[in-house]
Amino acid sequence: AAGVIQSPRHLIKEKRETATLKCYPIPRHDTVYWYQQGPGQDPQFLISFYEKMQSDKGSIPDRFSAQQFSDYHSELNMSSLELGDSALYFCASRKPGQGAYEQYFGPGTRLTVT
Amino acid sequence: QQQVKQSPQSLIVQKGGISIINCAYENTAFDYFPWYQQFPGKGPALLIAIRPDVSEKKEGRFTISFNKSAKQFSLHIMDSQPGDSATYFCAASEFTQGGSEKLVFGKGTKLTVNP
Repeated sequence: AAGVIQSPRHLIKEKRETATLKCYPIPRHDTVYWYQQGPGQDPQFLISFYEKMQSDKGSIPDRFSAQQFSDYHSELNMSSLELGDSALYFCASRKPGQGAYEQYFGPGTRLTVT
Repeated sequence: QQQVKQSPQSLIVQKGGISIINCAYENTAFDYFPWYQQFPGKGPALLIAIRPDVSEKKEGRFTISFNKSAKQFSLHIMDSQPGDSATYFCAASEFTQGGSEKLVFGKGTKLTVNP
């Protein structure tokens, strides 16, 4: 079965650089969520999109922006990177009619900021 | 402020034993309570979920017990196996002001099942 695809899987950037993380949801899933998970922490909700429109915003810094494209893939853009941005970034998708708890998570992108 | 409080932080059980992880919440507007299992380097995966009008749900060796009046719910893993060693997150889903739904997670419990 198709799963959520995230790229790249690992990314190393320097402080003040920019990073772009990509997420390809499961086919026919219309909702995408982004989460940040620090070491030993729970996933923190960043932002979500439903049918290519932003549906909710969590603890996402102003330095970050995201969008969902016509093919439903989503990109998280992170600028002026800080050491504290080092974390696992997960994308999750959900199909129409399912509850928020029925999210399918991707394998994550591990971002390291040096 | 953590909306869903989870305990213990870590748990060690012997193979064949019962693992119990507890969660508590305050927001009565939460409408679903899922549990996720996460292996190192992987994304969380939905394990089992329960609605607040149900007191217990069982799927194989995994059972959720839900106490609505106490605002608590727990995950029981029967006959725990070394392959169950992972981090478990309880969560709750809520509708936001914008009309969408999102998840809030507990802090997680690292379960180790010794052979």
